[in-house]
Amino acid sequence: GAVVSQHPSRVICKSGTSVKIECRSLDFQATTMFWYRQFPKQSLMLMATSNEGSKATYEQGVEKDKFLINHASLTLSTLTVTSAHPEDSSFYICSASPDSKNIQYFGAGTRLSVL
Amino acid sequence: LAKTTQPISMDSYEGQEVNITCSHNNIATNDYITWYQQFPSQGPRFIIQGYKTKVTNEVASLFIPADRKSSTLSLPRVSLSDTAVYYCLVGDGQAGTALIFGKGTTLSVSS
Repeated sequence: GAVVSQHPSRVICKSGTSVKIECRSLDFQATTMFWYRQFPKQSLMLMATSNEGSKATYEQGVEKDKFLINHASLTLSTLTVTSAHPEDSSFYICSASPDSKNIQYFGAGTRLSVL
Repeated sequence: LAKTTQPISMDSYEGQEVNITCSHNNIATNDYITWYQQFPSQGPRFIIQGYKTKVTNEVASLFIPADRKSSTLSLPRVSLSDTAVYYCLVGDGQAGTALIFGKGTTLSVSS
């Protein structure tokens, strides 16, 4: 199956700092990637759709200035959490699909803890 | 996107067959049914996808009746390592379409 790599797997930062999370499709090209957030004991919540070469599309309630998404190539999308605060602590997951049936392949996730 | 309904939780013992049913009454003609598995602190993993009748792979089987308003994920002879959350999703399969996750079914397998 296709492989999506996500780094880092875990990050701890101080309040007010920015954190960048990378999502790479290793063996396929992805025009579109997706970013999700998951709180403990809850399901995945779609944050935004990352489009190569264009602006990301954010879901309602997600602050685009706080969660900066850059999709500069067909294999890399980054999510930057700017001026992170404790309430941003969560599990962030990216996904991409290499095929026409839209079977999504997910990264391993990034556990963000803001102190 | 068609809404799905599945049990919140299920319990099983090692070696048993587990069947998880998902209801999707408003499924559209072009929609596929896809199941994912998620372990704690990991990203979801694709299990199986189908459109109609029965699909089987090395991990599971997916049964879809003729009206396609429901589907059943069948896990043969589960083990402790099958303890996870299972999500049923329905969508038109177009590339670039986001997945909207429901609550999923938490399967707990005991020895």
